[in-house]
Amino acid sequence: KAGVTQTPRYLIKTRGQQVTLSCSPISGHRSVSWYQQTPGQGLQFLFEYFSETQRNKGNFPGRFSGRQFSNSRSEMNVSTLELGDSALYLCASSLGATAGNTIYFGEGSWLTVV
Amino acid sequence: QQQVKQSPQSLIVQKGGISIINCAYENTAFDYFPWYQQFPGKGPALLIAIRPDVSEKKEGRFTISFNKSAKQFSLHIMDSQPGDSATYFCAAKGRSGGSQGNLIFGKGTKLSVKP
Repeated sequence: KAGVTQTPRYLIKTRGQQVTLSCSPISGHRSVSWYQQTPGQGLQFLFEYFSETQRNKGNFPGRFSGRQFSNSRSEMNVSTLELGDSALYLCASSLGATAGNTIYFGEGSWLTVV
Repeated sequence: QQQVKQSPQSLIVQKGGISIINCAYENTAFDYFPWYQQFPGKGPALLIAIRPDVSEKKEGRFTISFNKSAKQFSLHIMDSQPGDSATYFCAAKGRSGGSQGNLIFGKGTKLSVKP
């Protein structure tokens, strides 16, 4: 069974540009969440999608957005990139239907903003 | 507001020793408490998880102890091995779909097991 797949793994962008990251969840999983990991702030929740609907949102500015497609694949977009957006962006998937569902993470997308 | 507090930040243990990492939470709505292990360059991998109706859960060398009244839980790694050297994160989560339905992580503990 394939795990959570994230693309691209590494990317470098210039301040002011935008970026789109992609995530393919584990087959059968309907919930996809995104997290940002930085050395200073640790792992922080961005948003969660379930059956194409945003179900929960973290405390990030509107420059961070996401969506989920009918096949449960998800994308997140960051517009007007800032240096502080440099981070590891992690996608996680779960069945999502009940509390306590195991959440599995992908390897992440390393974003560097210069 | 940090809802999950983890300690220590770093831990050095001799091979064969016991590694203990502690976490405390504030929100009584949390009902799922997983521990993740992360190696450099990798995503977090689920190690073990517990629900609040259980006081202890053991899987191999890894044990979670849970104290609901104190709102604390801990990870014990028995017979620690150099391959256990990684960063460990505790987390807490409420019911899926609710405002606490996402994972809230501690700041992490960097464990080094010396041979």
